Amino acid sequence: AQKVTQAQTEISVVEKEDVTLDCVYETRDTTYYLFWYKQPPSGELVFLIRRNSFDEQNEISGRYSWNFQKSTSSFNFTITASQVVDSAVYFCALSSNTGNQFYFGTGTSLTVIP
Amino acid sequence: GAVVSQHPSWVICKSGTSVKIECRSLDFQATTMFWYRQFPKQSLMLMATSNEGSKATYEQGVEKDKFLINHASLTLSTLTVTSAHPEDSSFYICSAGDRALTPSTDTQYFGPGTRLTVL
Repeated sequence: AQKVTQAQTEISVVEKEDVTLDCVYETRDTTYYLFWYKQPPSGELVFLIRRNSFDEQNEISGRYSWNFQKSTSSFNFTITASQVVDSAVYFCALSSNTGNQFYFGTGTSLTVIP
Repeated sequence: GAVVSQHPSWVICKSGTSVKIECRSLDFQATTMFWYRQFPKQSLMLMATSNEGSKATYEQGVEKDKFLINHASLTLSTLTVTSAHPEDSSFYICSAGDRALTPSTDTQYFGPGTRLTVL
């Protein structure tokens, strides 16, 4: 069974603080894909990153970085020097070669306080 | 990049009426499209898989007679909420993968969503 757990329901940080959003996944597939999406109040999902199961290299994109650890089945997302515009709900998702549908975590609502 | 559109972006209807939501892939062809539902402050839950030229596959607990899905072409899938009731009020999102890419799993593009409110 595929499952994604985002234990943090809501997080509030003060602007310029760093924040890490946790994501733990479960799958029996050897080939799978992990994603992070941002969902602002408008509702549209904004794609942030895709990582396949064979690529454990961590990635940095500006203020965003991702830490993929297969040993702990985690794919955590860190925002450095947070800004008010980062306020949104962030979803971690999993898909695999056995099906193209996505399995979403319950989301983490991030509020950055000015 | 690939774009998926949804129409309408929002709709308000009276209880008992039917509402059709369109999902289009604008610059690619999609053999399979997915329909998700998101209630306020909750996650996206897969409702059904829409297959071009064949019947949709519904997730457990989703009524196929209430949520009619038609995937008549490689660029269009429609979701019709029949006899809508207030509990059907939700945010409906579709996604599509480019069939020209293999695997298509990692190329799912999401539509902007349709907010349905049933009075």
